[in-house]
Amino acid sequence: AQSVTQPDIHITVSEGASLELRCNYSYGATPYLFWYVQSPGQGLQLLLKYFSGDTLVQGIKGFEAEFKRSQSSFNLRKPSVHWSDAAEYFCAVGPPGGKLIFGQGTELSVKP
Amino acid sequence: DTEVTQTPKHLVMGMTNKKSLKCEQHMGHRAMYWYKQKAKKPPELMFVYSYEKLSINESVPSRFSPECPNSSLLNLHLHALQPEDSALYLCASSQVLVTQSSYNEQFFGPGTRLTVL
Repeated sequence: AQSVTQPDIHITVSEGASLELRCNYSYGATPYLFWYVQSPGQGLQLLLKYFSGDTLVQGIKGFEAEFKRSQSSFNLRKPSVHWSDAAEYFCAVGPPGGKLIFGQGTELSVKP
Repeated sequence: DTEVTQTPKHLVMGMTNKKSLKCEQHMGHRAMYWYKQKAKKPPELMFVYSYEKLSINESVPSRFSPECPNSSLLNLHLHALQPEDSALYLCASSQVLVTQSSYNEQFFGPGTRLTVL
């Protein structure tokens, strides 16, 4: 069965510190992988996506993610976090033509 | 135009009311989706329309009735809802739904915050 696991429910980092949010997936074939961000009371905004090719993917707002097939992971990173990055982050896997399967989300808090 | 719009932003309704949520996109997308999201949870898929036809119904209660009158519009009609139906309702769209090699990058609207009293 397809599934996505985000092991960290809540992470707090200091402003300016680096960030890594973990995502592990279970899927039989090469997946389409996504990271979305959701600010409180807002819709989801796509940060980046992986379909094929280069396993290091650059996204918006300075985020990047690395696809590691051997570890079934697609972790999200940012070298220096800003206070405006505080939000809920969802990893998702999307089989071709199928529905998105979301992880449970990671809430990011940023300390001044 | 790379935007999905949803109206209203907020809706409060009683359990006997009938109301509708509206979603619109002008990106030429032919797949549109309704999701329900409770606080601190991921979105849960409710319905998917592909080329204006209902493609997926995730066993949603009949008090939720979707409608896709044209390729740009998606409605969700609400009737006799329960307090537990209070949630953020998100609409999304993507280029197409079903092909062998396409991706399903979905663009989300800001949502309608629904409260059922």
